[in-house]
Amino acid sequence: ELKVEQNPLFLSMQEGKNYTIYCNYSTTSDRLYWYRQDPGKSLESLFVLLSNGAVKQEGRLMASLDTKARLSTLHITAAVHDLSATYFCAVDIKVVLIFGTGTRLQVFP
Amino acid sequence: NAGVTQTPKFRVLKTGQSMTLLCAQDMNHEYMYWYRQDPGMGLRLIHYSVGEGTTAKGEVPDGYNVSRLKKQNFLLGLESAAPSQTSVYFCASSEVADNNEQFFGPGTRLTVL
Repeated sequence: ELKVEQNPLFLSMQEGKNYTIYCNYSTTSDRLYWYRQDPGKSLESLFVLLSNGAVKQEGRLMASLDTKARLSTLHITAAVHDLSATYFCAVDIKVVLIFGTGTRLQVFP
Repeated sequence: NAGVTQTPKFRVLKTGQSMTLLCAQDMNHEYMYWYRQDPGMGLRLIHYSVGEGTTAKGEVPDGYNVSRLKKQNFLLGLESAAPSQTSVYFCASSEVADNNEQFFGPGTRLTVL
C-alpha cells in the first residue's frame, strides 16, 4: 500500500526561526507537489518538483526532492506569521496524486 | 478565468437524501478529480476522470457516483446520503501536459444529519 507520511504533523515555531518539514513516500515516483491550505480555504499550489535533485524556492520557503531516498523537504527560513497554514505534499502516481496527511504550522511572535 | 468553481458551497442533507455536486473548470483541462477532506486524514480521492466521457474509481468511491458528460464539468452524486459522508469535498483539475499539478476549487461543505 502506498504511504505518504509527513512529519511533523504539528509545528509551532517562533518568528525568525528555521525549520524543515519532511515528506516520505513508499513507492517509486519522480514527481512531487507541495500545497498550502489556510483554515477554511482551498489548496493552493506552492511547488512542482519533477525530477531527482529538483529544488524550488519562493520567498522564505524552499522545497527539494530526493527520489532515491523517496523524500521531499520543505524548508522554512526566518518564519513569519503569514506562513501559518497547513502544508501538504502530494506524490504523483501517473494519473493521480496521493496526499500526505498535512503539517499544521503555527508561527507565533 | 474563473478557474475551478464548485456549487453549492454548503449543504445540509438528511440521511437517505440525494444530491449532486457540480464542478466546472474553464482552463480546458483534460483531467478532473473529486476528493474528500476529513480532519486529520488529508485528502482522499473519490473518483476521477481522464477525459470527457470517462470516469474511474479512486481510494474511497463507495456511496458516490460521477459523470463527465462535458469536458468542463464533473459531477459528483450521492444517491443515499449517510452521516459518514459528512465532509468537505474538493474538486480539482489538471492539464497533464508536462505534469499533474492540480488546481483546486473552493470546496463544498456537506453535513449529513
